[in-house]
Amino acid sequence: LAKTTQPISMDSYEGQEVNITCSHNNIATNDYITWYQQFPSQGPRFIIQGYKTKVTNEVASLFIPADRKSSTLSLPRVSLSDTAVYYCLVGGGAGNMLTFGGGTRLMVKP
Amino acid sequence: KAGVTQTPRYLIKTRGQQVTLSCSPISGHRSVSWYQQTPGQGLQFLFEYFSETQRNKGNFPGRFSGRQFSNSRSEMNVSTLELGDSALYLCASSARLAEYEQYFGPGTRLTVT
Repeated sequence: LAKTTQPISMDSYEGQEVNITCSHNNIATNDYITWYQQFPSQGPRFIIQGYKTKVTNEVASLFIPADRKSSTLSLPRVSLSDTAVYYCLVGGGAGNMLTFGGGTRLMVKP
Repeated sequence: KAGVTQTPRYLIKTRGQQVTLSCSPISGHRSVSWYQQTPGQGLQFLFEYFSETQRNKGNFPGRFSGRQFSNSRSEMNVSTLELGDSALYLCASSARLAEYEQYFGPGTRLTVT
């Protein structure tokens, strides 16, 4: 069972790049790593998913080292609207437990 | 395309009662997962259904159960409610089994008194 840990909070300023790291030492061979964003009073929203190396989409990049024991979500040039809680989710191989990290509260300041 | 809908949005129950929550996935999505979110425990996986079969289950007692219908709609039931069951219950759907590009509903806020 993957124990998934993240920093509780981070502060940043508008226009900066933000990197949020998730530690998942016991990740299983067929587990995926998925990141979600959650605003107050809403359900989480999918950001990006990866298995290994680097994945990039229009909003973020996900870096996963070869040992897959951690992953880093990179948000380029954050804005005030990126203030939210970010969760990593590890799991997804058929029958594998899904484990969320505790969430990282990102505060973007002007 | 309509998003994931959950009913009811808010619910107040008394200890010992049972409750049923409903989730309608995005049209065409066949996988439905349920999660519990609390300030203390964060987001925890309850179970996943695909093609009317439970495919995966989290570490919750047997009081928590669910089912999925042939139209992919899903319900979860909690029997013999406890104060600790007060939480936001989130449903998420995805197109395929074990694909975690999921789309979440707004959740059902359950308060047990």
